[in-house]
Amino acid sequence: GQNIDQPTEMTATEGAIVQINCTYQTSGFNGLFWYQQHAGEAPTFLSYNVLDGLEEKGRFSSFLSRSKGYSYLLLKELQMKDSASYLCAVLDSNYQLIWGAGTKLIIKP
Amino acid sequence: DAGITQSPRYKITETGRQVTLMCHQTWSHSYMFWYRQDLGHGLRLIYYSAAADITDKGEVPDGYVVSRSKTENFPLTLESATRSQTSVYFCASSEGRAGGYEQYFGPGTRLTVT
Repeated sequence: GQNIDQPTEMTATEGAIVQINCTYQTSGFNGLFWYQQHAGEAPTFLSYNVLDGLEEKGRFSSFLSRSKGYSYLLLKELQMKDSASYLCAVLDSNYQLIWGAGTKLIIKP
Repeated sequence: DAGITQSPRYKITETGRQVTLMCHQTWSHSYMFWYRQDLGHGLRLIYYSAAADITDKGEVPDGYVVSRSKTENFPLTLESATRSQTSVYFCASSEGRAGGYEQYFGPGTRLTVT
């Protein structure tokens, strides 16, 4: 079966750095997405990785290792508005997105 | 307004009733998707459409029907609602499926079946 694993919940302090991990086992791989979802709102796109390595986009970076079936999202200089759920999703061999259950990130002042 | 919209935003219905959730996008995206989101689960694909008059099943299609007569609209119908269909439903659209095409999500419809 196909499986995406993420921690259910994480807590971090305003101004700090947090790393949210995602491991996957899917039938094929055509890329990995990270989305942000604030409570009661729609998911919004953060990043896409298809090659190994780190992609940096402002305060957010995303890393991929295809050989390890592993990705992480790194958030720097945390702000209160970063409190949200972060969803990892893998595009499988049929170009269907397989979603993790999401990681709820709580930011404390 | 530009973007992707869903209606209604909230709906309460009774078991056995038929209910239709609407989705409209203004980008002329080829692909449209319907997901349901439940606590403890990732987004689960119900149906998707590659173009007008082309639809296909996703992971959890049972109990749902879709149509796409126009590119911009993709309604989802629950033919006979059950309590297990209580969920938040998201519609999404994208330019493509292969590669890094992101999906744009509507605001969601919170459906309660009593």
